[in-house]
Amino acid sequence: DQQVKQNSPSLSVQEGRISILNCDYTNSMFDYFLWYKKYPAEGPTFLISISSIKDKNEDGRFTVFLNKSAKHLSLHIVPSQPGDSAVYFCAASNSGGKLIFGQGTELSVKP
Amino acid sequence: DTGVSQDPRHKITKRGQNVTFRCDPISEHNRLYWYRQTLGQGPEFLTYFQNEAQLEKSRLLSDRFSAERPKGSFSTLEIQRTEQGDSAMYLCASSYDREKLFFGSGTQLSVL
Repeated sequence: DQQVKQNSPSLSVQEGRISILNCDYTNSMFDYFLWYKKYPAEGPTFLISISSIKDKNEDGRFTVFLNKSAKHLSLHIVPSQPGDSAVYFCAASNSGGKLIFGQGTELSVKP
Repeated sequence: DTGVSQDPRHKITKRGQNVTFRCDPISEHNRLYWYRQTLGQGPEFLTYFQNEAQLEKSRLLSDRFSAERPKGSFSTLEIQRTEQGDSAMYLCASSYDREKLFFGSGTQLSVL
């Protein structure tokens, strides 16, 4: 039972262009969503989050959009940089504090 | 700045042996989580503590797995009678804010 899904295992983008990573969820009780970034041999690091009462949150080059009716969120990175190359996980919580993670999308930003 | 620390970074063991991992959370964090990650998958929740109380355990956590957090400080995760299917990255995370977790670098377990 995969409650959080990232259907694209990988994404390749040219430096300077926009990267869009997508995430779908099935549990309508989720009320908080996060994106994490992971480099090889390191633990995931927090990137950006959004509460279900909002539909957009922006932090520098990173913006997360939430569409509750579609149970869909996306992470936009503009402009993409080679240092953004990593695996990105979306995660969701239903006020219990326990995060449920998607499978991850590996982003490759090419110079 | 001392983040979440996990020890050891790597563990190779033979099937049937017991292993124990340690996690030292960020000092002011009262919540501590254990996750497991295999190749190509996201982290899977195993269990979490608020202070010294273990509040939830995943159905994934068989009786061979046990976790403790004495005095609400560091935590240990023990796997008894390891199986090859236990091979994975074991991640510890801590938080003060309920949802924003800070992860350690993980312990990579290989069961031969």
